Amino acid sequence: DTAVSQTPKYLVTQMGNDKSIKCEQNLGHDTMYWYKQDSKKFLKIMFSYNNKELIINETVPNRFSPKSPDKAHLNLHINSLELGDSAVYFCASSQDAGEGYGYTFGSGTRLTVV
Amino acid sequence: SQKIEQNSEALNIQEGKTATLTCNYTNYSPAYLQWYRQDPGRGPVFLLLIRENEKEKRKERLKVTFDTTLKQSLFHITASQPADSATYLCALINQAGTALIFGKGTTLSVSS
Repeated sequence: DTAVSQTPKYLVTQMGNDKSIKCEQNLGHDTMYWYKQDSKKFLKIMFSYNNKELIINETVPNRFSPKSPDKAHLNLHINSLELGDSAVYFCASSQDAGEGYGYTFGSGTRLTVV
Repeated sequence: SQKIEQNSEALNIQEGKTATLTCNYTNYSPAYLQWYRQDPGRGPVFLLLIRENEKEKRKERLKVTFDTTLKQSLFHITASQPADSATYLCALINQAGTALIFGKGTTLSVSS
């Protein structure tokens, strides 16, 4: 099936640990994104990658680092996890960042830091 | 900075009625605006896009309007059904043209 898939779906970890969330899209899209949805359901952009180049970084702590081995993948690595990092993280992709194409989202990764 | 406001956090209507959701924005004139649906535990799903030179867009029971003077978009669901119950998100491209920014959403509940 064509889609944006992210793993794992749930992630429970202790403070201070390092973890990664993987994302893959098989839609042939040029741009991929990471969004964070907090407990108030507010969806905030974290990163986007266009042809393996980071084009935005919205004041996200440098403990978060996106890694894109190729156009179809954008993984999110988080160092030294904190309680406030608990949220749902969504990966998304689009044909082009600025031309008005709709985004396709993954089903989310619920991260709980204890 | 850009602000997007979806005035109602929750909207409750009866089946068969028309639901109208509002999205207002400030400090910006976007080239287009998008609407998404999000169900609990799932990612947002793209519904409709409307460009600044379009007044209205329709898709089946959905209708979106875009008033660039009022800086407002209205999202209508006609003949609403319980299956339409979800959170609806308004989104605009940021000023740099690099990513969508989302409103906080309106949770629609349609009762039978």
